[in-house]
Amino acid sequence: QSVLTQPPSVSGTPGQRVTISCSGSYSNIGTNGVNWYQQLPGTAPKLLIYSDNQRPSGVSNRFSGSRSGTSASLAISGLQSEDEADYYCASWDDDLHGLFGGGTYLTVL
Amino acid sequence: QVRLQESGPGLVKPSQTLSLTCKVSGVSISDNEYYWTWIRQLPGKGLQWIGYISHRGSNYYNPSLQGRLDISRDSAKNRFFLSLSSVTAADTALYFCARDRRPYHVQVDVWGKGTMVIVSS
Repeated sequence: QSVLTQPPSVSGTPGQRVTISCSGSYSNIGTNGVNWYQQLPGTAPKLLIYSDNQRPSGVSNRFSGSRSGTSASLAISGLQSEDEADYYCASWDDDLHGLFGGGTYLTVL
Repeated sequence: QVRLQESGPGLVKPSQTLSLTCKVSGVSISDNEYYWTWIRQLPGKGLQWIGYISHRGSNYYNPSLQGRLDISRDSAKNRFFLSLSSVTAADTALYFCARDRRPYHVQVDVWGKGTMVIVSS
């Protein structure tokens, strides 16, 4: 069981907005911020959001992130079929190690 | 273009040591900006952060693997390594080497394709 808790799955229809939550504690999300990764089937993960709400160059502005206290959220607006993937949150823990959430599979209905 | 490529045996016997190499091209692992990381993905499951070695050679490890784990590097050959001892079936996973661009944040911006390791007799 991961220290960072995510729902196993979420779903939405094309064009809809969905959110994925990530819950941690003061020693990780509460102190060190959150990053989000997208993993398409059969590929390595890709950095989607860093430092809570920043998008790397080339990432669509349909993806946005936020953090409040010891929780964070990833929002995907204008849902598209190609967004169907696993999404992981990640953070650093004050015990000096990295953490990933358990992952959330997004289904586009 | 920065590229990372994992290599190593795909099959390891229980109780033996798993050894993987990550060959890095396009950037020097001694550059003072990056942290060279191993991450694994258990079959059908999520990602697990294993650890990294910094440009200065400092190590940070997942506490659940500490004691069995060593991450080292060969700067001259621009490679870094994973060694995990006393493996069991629970160590069967897809192992990725990767580049973390910021310390203490897990901001991994370049990944290898991954190499599957099966622990079985």
